[in-house]
Amino acid sequence: EAGVAQSPRYKIIEKRQSVAFWCNPISGHATLYWYQQILGQGPKLLIQFQNNGVVDDSQLPKDRFSAERLKGVDSTLKIQPAKLEDSAVYLCASSLDLGSGLGRGDTEAFFGQGTRLTVV
Amino acid sequence: GESVGLHLPTLSVQEGDNSIINCAYSNSASDYFIWYKQESGKGPQFIIDIRSNMDKRQGQRVTVLLNKTVKHLSLQIAATQPGDSAVYFCAENRSGGYNKLIFGAGTRLAVHP
Repeated sequence: EAGVAQSPRYKIIEKRQSVAFWCNPISGHATLYWYQQILGQGPKLLIQFQNNGVVDDSQLPKDRFSAERLKGVDSTLKIQPAKLEDSAVYLCASSLDLGSGLGRGDTEAFFGQGTRLTVV
Repeated sequence: GESVGLHLPTLSVQEGDNSIINCAYSNSASDYFIWYKQESGKGPQFIIDIRSNMDKRQGQRVTVLLNKTVKHLSLQIAATQPGDSAVYFCAENRSGGYNKLIFGAGTRLAVHP
């Protein structure tokens, strides 16, 4: 089974520039997550999709971050304009999520390798 | 706000010893907990999970203990190996219409020969 694919692996941009990250989840997974992981910290949830609808974007800085999941499959996360504090690893994850069921088969989140963003 | 956190940021152990990584959570409504392992340059990888109606679950060399009274979670790794060196995160699932995974800060486990 193919895992969660993310690209690019690394990106260096200057502040005030824009950047976009791409994620291809595991086939058939309904839920897709974008996390921001600052060095030395745990992943922080930015946005969560259920199919192509947003179920949680409470921690997404909406003045500069946007995300979409067209057709309920691939997703892109964009930052415009970038700030120095946006330097982090951006992780995409997906899970099967059969309704609100619990247990590994339903909710286990599989992560991609992440995109390391450096804003200079 | 409510959060999941860890007691120790770094844990150093000798190869072959048992490791215990602790985690405190504050949301009593969380009903499912997961331990993840993250190696350098990789995304978090599932280790073991436990539901809130259980207090112990065992896997291969790993055991998770849940104490709901004090909102405490621990991961025990038996006979720690160099390959266990990584950062370990506990995460809580807050269901309520949809599942939401919230991660703690992480503990770095360093295994010495």
